[in-house]
Amino acid sequence: GAGVSQSPSNKVTEKGKDVELRCDPISGHTALYWYRQSLGQGLEFLIYFQGNSAPDKSGLPSDRFSAERTGGSVSTLTIQRTQQEDSAVYLCASSRSRDRRNTEAFFGQGTRLTVV
Amino acid sequence: QQQVKQSPQSLIVQKGGIPIINCAYENTAFDYFPWYQQFPGKGPALLIAIRPDVSEKKEGRFTISFNKSAKQFSLHIMDSQPGDSATYFCAASGMDSSYKLIFGSGTRLLVRP
Repeated sequence: GAGVSQSPSNKVTEKGKDVELRCDPISGHTALYWYRQSLGQGLEFLIYFQGNSAPDKSGLPSDRFSAERTGGSVSTLTIQRTQQEDSAVYLCASSRSRDRRNTEAFFGQGTRLTVV
Repeated sequence: QQQVKQSPQSLIVQKGGIPIINCAYENTAFDYFPWYQQFPGKGPALLIAIRPDVSEKKEGRFTISFNKSAKQFSLHIMDSQPGDSATYFCAASGMDSSYKLIFGSGTRLLVRP
C-alpha cells in the first residue's frame, strides 16, 4: 500500500477483554513505532521496532501491553484485560531507518479504542 | 527532563492572521525539533523540522524560530488559511535515542474565513 495501514479503525471492547491492533508499515521500512494518543494529549511513545526486534519497550504502560513484529513487516499490539484508562487512539508509524533526523516517520490513521 | 511543553492549547485567528505556537523543553540533549500537523481522523504528518545549529527555518508559509539559550522553539504560520485548521504538535528527540520523539500536548488551531 501507499501508506501505513492500521486495523481496525475503531474498536469497542468490554472491560477485561483482550484486544489486538494491527499495523501494516510502508513496504521496505525497517523501523516501526507505536504511540498512544489520549484525548487532549500529545502522543505518548510506547515501543520501537528495528526489524523484528524491539530495542526499546520503555513506553509500554504495564505488563498487560505487548507487541510483536513478524517478517520485518506487520506488527500487532496486544492489550490484555483491557481497562477504561486504555481508551485512546493507538498510532503506528514507520520509517526507512531509525534516525528521525534524516528519515521521516509516516503515521497511520490510528485505531480508536474504546473500553466500556 | 523528557517533557516538551506546548502552548496555547487552542488558538483562533482570522484568515490572513499569523498564529504562533510555542514549545519549551528541558533536555539539553535534544537536537531535533519537528512540527507535526494532524487533521481530524488522520495520523500526524511532518510539517517542518529544525536542528539547533540554525535559529530559523522557513518552508512556504511555515516558519520555525529556535532559541537555544532559552530552550524554546515556535511555529509561525504566515497568511493563515481556513485549510490550516488542524491540531499542531511540536516534538523533540535526542542523539542518544533519535528514534523516539517526545511530543507536546498539541494546539488546536481554527482559522476563520
